[in-house]
Amino acid sequence: DADVTQTPRNRITKTGKRIMLECSQTKGHDRMYWYRQDPGLGLRLIYYSFDVKDINKGEISDGYSVSRQAQAKFSLSLESAIPNQTALYFCATSGTGRGETQYFGPGTRLLVL
Amino acid sequence: GQQVMQIPQYQHVQEGEDFTTYCNSSTTLSNIQWYKQRPGGHPVFLIQLVKSGEVKKQKRLTFQFGEAKKNSSLHITATQTTDVGTYFCAGTTGNQFYFGTGTSLTVIP
Repeated sequence: DADVTQTPRNRITKTGKRIMLECSQTKGHDRMYWYRQDPGLGLRLIYYSFDVKDINKGEISDGYSVSRQAQAKFSLSLESAIPNQTALYFCATSGTGRGETQYFGPGTRLLVL
Repeated sequence: GQQVMQIPQYQHVQEGEDFTTYCNSSTTLSNIQWYKQRPGGHPVFLIQLVKSGEVKKQKRLTFQFGEAKKNSSLHITATQTTDVGTYFCAGTTGNQFYFGTGTSLTVIP
């Protein structure tokens, strides 16, 4: 969905490097999410934010941190990248009701060597 | 651990055959959503089911939510090559939103 953008789209980095993935949305949604996708494991939630002052850990937050700079921006950082963080990362947004539809960005493919 | 499981993980069908993917949760869900991810793409919302036993149809796709609100299924009648992709269920419990492990569908022309 063009309303949710992610940068970069692809990234290759080395073990130990700090990496930041960025997400921006123009849907006016308060809720934003970061997921990683691995074959056979589906989409796993890393962090989510229900508004600018709210940050919550998901299933697999270890090794990651996030920053909600504004309603429209939610960035994911890997402080010291490791090879098993090689994955496809998706940002998503949703409205504030329970079970609101999630709108996904195009994804960032990250390779950690 | 993973709270929402899907089976099968992969399915290959001949064009025209039917396809079903099943979603099972370890906990009762408030609702269930289904998403489709085309190869190289991102998940896109298909539908949401909220009521126990609910059945909804979208053309050749039939979605069902179990009576206990712990399982769901997606059935595609007479698959077409445009149905290729990975289908995910996603359930809400409390404030958490859990995606299933996904079923990758390949349709052989």
